[in-house]
Amino acid sequence: KQEVTQIPAALSVPEGENLVLNCSFTDSAIYNLQWFRQDPGKGLTSLLLIQSSQREQTSGRLNASLDKSSGRSTLYIAASQPGDSATYLCAVNTDKLIFGTGTRLQVFP
Amino acid sequence: GAGVSQSPSNKVTEKGKDVELRCDPISGHTALYWYRQSLGQGLEFLIYFQGNSAPDKSGLPSDRFSAERTGGSVSTLTIQRTQQEDSAVYLCASSLGAPPNTEVFFGQGTRLTVV
Repeated sequence: KQEVTQIPAALSVPEGENLVLNCSFTDSAIYNLQWFRQDPGKGLTSLLLIQSSQREQTSGRLNASLDKSSGRSTLYIAASQPGDSATYLCAVNTDKLIFGTGTRLQVFP
Repeated sequence: GAGVSQSPSNKVTEKGKDVELRCDPISGHTALYWYRQSLGQGLEFLIYFQGNSAPDKSGLPSDRFSAERTGGSVSTLTIQRTQQEDSAVYLCASSLGAPPNTEVFFGQGTRLTVV
């Protein structure tokens, strides 16, 4: 059974820091991996999609890497801002998305 | 439409009543998913549609839950005889096609409260 774990569960940092959020999964037979952010009381916003054949994907200050064989992905956030405060979720795609429990990020001024 | 649209955004119902939750996927998206997010819990998969067919309904928690999709577009999730443990945010998502290589987009969710 596929299990997805995210570390840390919560993170509080001052503005301007570079951050790494970790995601691990137990079964490497995935099609792709997707990172989302969720603001309180809101739905999920897609951040990055990495195909199983890719090693990394970048969008602005965000960079996501994927090591499928070791079952790991990282989301790197450069020069964090208070607006980055949210819960970050990773999800692996088999025939459906299986989610981790998220990292709750707070960036303070 | 521009994004996945869900209605209502909030629903309060009495225990034992039936409720219907609606999802309008992004225009042209053939795959549609329902998830549930309970307070303090992760996202729980409920059902997946490809077109009007549901090849995976393994996440539906009981026979009180059912879903249908018509015209390859709008989907309705129905919960019969609601219980307090059904209180959660129900999220709908869609993607352009079947896995594997498609990005999934979520709606804003319906917050269901059973009193």
